[in-house]
Amino acid sequence: EDQVTQSPEALRLQEGESSSLNCSYTVSGLRGLFWYRQDPGKGPEFLFTLYSAGEEKEKERLKATLTKKESFLHITAPKPEDSATYLCAVQPSKSSLGFKTIFGAGTRLFVKA
Amino acid sequence: DGGITQSPKYLFRKEGQNVTLSCEQNLNHDAMYWYRQDPGQGLRLIYYSQIVNDFQKGDIAEGYSVSREKKESFPLTVTSAQKNPTAFYLCASSARANYGYTFGSGTRLTVV
Repeated sequence: EDQVTQSPEALRLQEGESSSLNCSYTVSGLRGLFWYRQDPGKGPEFLFTLYSAGEEKEKERLKATLTKKESFLHITAPKPEDSATYLCAVQPSKSSLGFKTIFGAGTRLFVKA
Repeated sequence: DGGITQSPKYLFRKEGQNVTLSCEQNLNHDAMYWYRQDPGQGLRLIYYSQIVNDFQKGDIAEGYSVSREKKESFPLTVTSAQKNPTAFYLCASSARANYGYTFGSGTRLTVV
């Protein structure tokens, strides 16, 4: 069964304390892996797409990496405004629904000043 | 600016009542989606549409219905058959199947 698991569920950091969020996936072939940021009461905001193992993408203090089994979202020197829930999503290359995207439950990040 | 507009932001449903959530996009995207978000769970797919006049059931379609009469619009109706409709509903669109989604700001539905 296709599955996406994010860890930890919640992460509390001090401002400037770098860390990583994990997204482990089990799918029958990977079409793409996506990271989103979601603020409370709002819709998710697209961050990155990764398509193949070894690929990396960066945006400001965020860097996403991909292996054959997992993806990491590295946060360098976070600021309080980075506090949000980060969602990982996977699109299997083989799915009865054709273009199904499977979302993880998310990691809630809190950055304290 | 291009984007997705969901309305209303908050919606209250009485027992036995059908309600419709609006989703409009001006991104010229072919594919549109409806997701449901519950606390502690990942987003779950309700319905999706890849082209006008065509839509497919997702994982939790029971008690919901959709239409896609225009490229820009993909309304979701929550029927009285949906026994636990209280949730945060998100509409999304994408230019291509393996591209990231653009999401709307969501509709929070509560049963009263």
